[in-house]
Amino acid sequence: AQTVTQSQPEMSVQEAETVTLSCTYDTSESNYYLFWYKQPPSRQMILVIRQEAYKQQNATENRFSVNFQKAAKSFSLKISDSQLGDTAMYFCAFMRHTGTASKLTFGTGTRLQVTL
Amino acid sequence: EAGVAQSPRYKIIEKRQSVAFWCNPISGHATLYWYQQILGQGPKLLIQFQNNGVVDDSQLPKDRFSAERLKGVDSTLKIQPAKLEDSAVYLCASSLDPFPTDTQYFGPGTRLTVL
Repeated sequence: AQTVTQSQPEMSVQEAETVTLSCTYDTSESNYYLFWYKQPPSRQMILVIRQEAYKQQNATENRFSVNFQKAAKSFSLKISDSQLGDTAMYFCAFMRHTGTASKLTFGTGTRLQVTL
Repeated sequence: EAGVAQSPRYKIIEKRQSVAFWCNPISGHATLYWYQQILGQGPKLLIQFQNNGVVDDSQLPKDRFSAERLKGVDSTLKIQPAKLEDSAVYLCASSLDPFPTDTQYFGPGTRLTVL
């Protein structure tokens, strides 16, 4: 079974600064996908970024980028130029795709607070 | 484009009662998911539908939970009878297809409190 660990329950960053959220996972699979989801206080989960394990290049989406270390099974999220709207719970998630089943396994989340 | 709709947003029941949640996915999305999110935890997949067929229900407590998606569009998740440990937010998500490159879009969730 796959497990996802987020060791930082809470983090705080000042507006315009950079913050990195950590995530490690455990799997015996070689082909899988990793995700970061954002859950603002309104509770609607939103996909932030996706990484295919077979791609060595780290994914980027505007101010969001990842540091994917496959051998270390590490998948951290870097948020640059933090904005107040980035305040949310951030979940790291793992997906193993088997035929028609695409099961997301989530970590316990990191609560990020962006302050003035 | 309208998002995933869920109702009710909140529900309070007593243990041993039954409850049902409704989800309307994004139009055209063939894949529908129900997740359970207990306070302080990440969401856990309960069941995945592809059109009106069940693809994965390995983590659904089938003695008390049931779900259906009869016409391949709307879905209903039922709990009967409810236990205290069922208190959680129940999230519905949908995607165009069940592939990792198809983004899962989540609804606002239903917060269930079992007293």
